Amino acid sequence: AQSVTQLDSQVPVFEEAPVELRCNYSSSVSVYLFWYVQYPNQGLQLLLKYLSGSTLVKSINGFEAEFNKSQTSFHLRKPSVHISDTAEYFCAVSDLKAAGNKLTFGGGTRVLVKP
Amino acid sequence: EAGVAQSPRYKIIEKRQSVAFWCNPISGHATLYWYQQILGQGPKLLIQFQNNGVVDDSQLPKDRFSAERLKGVDSTLKIQPAKLEDSAVYLCASSLDHSRSGANEQFFGPGTRLTVL
Repeated sequence: AQSVTQLDSQVPVFEEAPVELRCNYSSSVSVYLFWYVQYPNQGLQLLLKYLSGSTLVKSINGFEAEFNKSQTSFHLRKPSVHISDTAEYFCAVSDLKAAGNKLTFGGGTRVLVKP
Repeated sequence: EAGVAQSPRYKIIEKRQSVAFWCNPISGHATLYWYQQILGQGPKLLIQFQNNGVVDDSQLPKDRFSAERLKGVDSTLKIQPAKLEDSAVYLCASSLDHSRSGANEQFFGPGTRLTVL
């Protein structure tokens, strides 16, 4: 069964500083990869996804993630964070050989942006 | 486009009581998912429907949890009887059609926060 590890449960960061959130998954078979963001008292929203093609994917609000097949990683980065980026971020994997487009989530990383 | 609707947003019950949650997916979405998110953890899939049929319920504790999607649109998740460890946020999500090629994006509702005392 697929598993996803997010190595940092909390990441405090100052405004305008860079941030990196680490994500590793267990299986080396073909996968789709996702980052979701959850703002306080809201549902999850898709931030970005890797399906195929370029290993570097970007979101509209400045986040980017790079798929590394050999290291089974999909780390999320932003060069300069804003206060509004304070949220919890979840990495998720969909195993292409599993039925139903099932997502397996990591435990989440809480990002706290300080002024 | 209206999003995934869930109700209630909050529920507090005592252990051994029953509770039900309701979800209305995005119009036209064939696939509906129920997730359990325990505090400090990522969401865990409980059950997945394709229209009114079950695709995956392997992680649903069937001795106390049940779910239905009778007309292939909205869905109800029930817990009977509830235990303390059922305290969590229950998330509903929907996607166009999981069986199509590619990974259809899942859209999540705001969730129902359940507290079992």
